[in-house]
Amino acid sequence: NAGVMQNPRHLVRRRGQEARLRCSPMKGHSHVYWYRQLPEEGLKFMVYLQKENIIDESGMPKERFSAEFPKEGPSILRIQQVVRGDSAAYFCASSQGTGATYEQYFGPGTRLTVT
Amino acid sequence: DAKTTQPNSMESNEEEPVHLPCNHSTISGTDYIHWYRQLPSQGPEYVIHGLTSNVNNRMASLAIAEDRKSSTLILHRATLRDAAVYYCILRDGVRTTDSWGKLQFGAGTQVVVTP
Repeated sequence: NAGVMQNPRHLVRRRGQEARLRCSPMKGHSHVYWYRQLPEEGLKFMVYLQKENIIDESGMPKERFSAEFPKEGPSILRIQQVVRGDSAAYFCASSQGTGATYEQYFGPGTRLTVT
Repeated sequence: DAKTTQPNSMESNEEEPVHLPCNHSTISGTDYIHWYRQLPSQGPEYVIHGLTSNVNNRMASLAIAEDRKSSTLILHRATLRDAAVYYCILRDGVRTTDSWGKLQFGAGTQVVVTP
């Protein structure tokens, strides 16, 4: 059973460009979470999605960031008009169910560098 | 949200046990205690979780104090591969609270394993 897959693993964008990060959850998992880890900082929750629905986006910046998890295909985290402060590692996790008794399985992350 | 307190770092010799403490004095009756770890340049990895009773799995043991205000993660024989940041996280079992779906990471404990 393949784990959580993220691509690309490394992404370089110039300021003002768009970044698209993809996450394929583990087979059978319908819950996806995105986290961001800024350099030398801790992991911060961004958004929680189920198929076609955003459940909790309390950690998403108000502008330029969006996320989706369509019925078919991977979850996408989209960052428009990137700025240097967006440079970070972005991790996706998935779980079989939601709530405190379900563990989350993390992908290897996408390292975004904005030049 | 209930908070956790962990030491910044701990050092251990290879093949010796490691006891990682976590204080959560404001824990509520429905909070589960979760542990995750993050190896260098990797995504976080689930370690173990419990509610009231001590728990064991192939990776570690979790000892929970009787009043649940603290817990200890025990790595029975540390290896070099166990060098990581270990996070103690509370997750509420009640759906209507903030910590229902997302993981709220603190600074964690950096474990250093010496050969």
